[in-house]
Amino acid sequence: RKEVEQDPGPFNVPEGATVAFNCTYSNSASQSFFWYRQDCRKEPKLLMSVYSSGNEDGRFTAQLNRASQYISLLIRDSKLSDSATYLCVVNYGQNFVFGPGTRLSVLP
Amino acid sequence: SQTIHQWPATLVQPVGSPLSLECTVEGTSNPNLYWYRQAAGRGLQLLFYSVGIGQISSEVPQNLSASRPQDRQFILSSKKLLLSDSGFYLCAWKNRGTYNSPLHFGNGTRLTVT
Repeated sequence: RKEVEQDPGPFNVPEGATVAFNCTYSNSASQSFFWYRQDCRKEPKLLMSVYSSGNEDGRFTAQLNRASQYISLLIRDSKLSDSATYLCVVNYGQNFVFGPGTRLSVLP
Repeated sequence: SQTIHQWPATLVQPVGSPLSLECTVEGTSNPNLYWYRQAAGRGLQLLFYSVGIGQISSEVPQNLSASRPQDRQFILSSKKLLLSDSGFYLCAWKNRGTYNSPLHFGNGTRLTVT
C-alpha cells in the first residue's frame, strides 16, 4: 500500500462547480498535513495546511480525520485558474511524503 | 522574507557526465533542506534531506549524492549520470523550529540526460 493515496483523476469540471479531492495516508504517526498545487512544469506551491478542526481559506476548505487517516480538499465556485494538479502531503519526523496528485481541469 | 534559489533552471547532459545542482536559502537559519525528484508524469520522490551542516540522510539508493557545506547551501551531485537520472529536481526548505511548518520549494531544475 502506498503511503499517501489520492483520487486518480483527472477531474474535468465547469467553471463555478464544487469539486472535492480525497486523500488517505497509511502512517498513523503522521504529524502534519498539507495541500499543495502544482502547475504544469512548475514547482509545487503550498495551498494550505490542514488542521484537525478543519480550516477554510476563501473558496478552499480542508478537513482531516485522524481516526480514518483521511484528508479532503473542497474547492467551491471553481475558477479557470484553479486548473492544476493538487498534491496531498503528509509529514512525520523530518519526512514529507507526497501523494501522486489529482489533476483538475476547470472548463469554461 | 525567506527565499530559495536553485540553479540552473534547465540542463542537458550526456550519459556518463558529472552533475552538480546547487540550492541556497536566504532569510532563515538552520533550515531543514530537501532534494526531491519528479520523473515525467510521476509524483515527487524524496532523495535526500539534511537537518544540519554535514548531516545528510538518503531515502533511496541511487546514483546521486548530496552535501551541505554551509547552513543554507545544499548541493546535489553525481559522478556519472544515467539516462534514468532525467527528471525535475526540486530543492526545498522547512523551518526546523516550527511545528507544522510546510515545505517551500525552489523553481526546480529540469535535467535531461541524453
